[in-house]
Amino acid sequence: EDQVTQSPEALRLQEGESSSLNCSYTVSGLRGLFWYRQDPGKGPEFLFTLYSAGEEKEKERLKATLTKKESFLHITAPKPEDSATYLCAVRSSNTGKLIFGQGTTLQVKP
Amino acid sequence: DSGVTQTPKHLITATGQRVTLRCSPRSGDLSVYWYQQSLDQGLQFLIQYYNGEERAKGNILERFSAQQFPDLHSELNLSSLELGDSALYFCASSGLSGSPNTEAFFGQGTRLTVV
Repeated sequence: EDQVTQSPEALRLQEGESSSLNCSYTVSGLRGLFWYRQDPGKGPEFLFTLYSAGEEKEKERLKATLTKKESFLHITAPKPEDSATYLCAVRSSNTGKLIFGQGTTLQVKP
Repeated sequence: DSGVTQTPKHLITATGQRVTLRCSPRSGDLSVYWYQQSLDQGLQFLIQYYNGEERAKGNILERFSAQQFPDLHSELNLSSLELGDSALYFCASSGLSGSPNTEAFFGQGTRLTVV
């Protein structure tokens, strides 16, 4: 069964304190791993797509990486406005479903 | 703005009633997905349509049904509503130019409250 597990569930950082969020996945034929940001009561906002192991994508303070079993979202020198829930999703080639993990809620304190 | 439009934004209804949620995908996107997000819960996949045909099904209740119309907009019908159906319902779309593996873009959701 396709599955996505994110850790930690919650993360508190001081402004400027870099860290990483983990996304472990089990999928029958990966057809894309996706990172999203979600603010409370809002729709998820697309951040990155990764398709193959070794691929990296970067945007401002965020960098996403992919291996055969997991993906990391690295946050460098975060700011309070980076506070949000970060969601990871995978698409299975067998089913076509886009399956999400439970998310990591990040709080960055000034 | 993702380009995906959901209506209505808010809906309050009584138990036992039936409601219809509407989604207009981004221009050119062929796939539409529906998700349910209960309080403090993750996004639960309900169903996916591709160019009018059902493509994948998640843990969608029998009381729920959906369809995608020829103009590619989609509707999610929820019937015999229960208190536990109160949640945010999101629609997403993807598949510009027919590619099935591109990222999905989400609407702002419909907040359903069943009283």
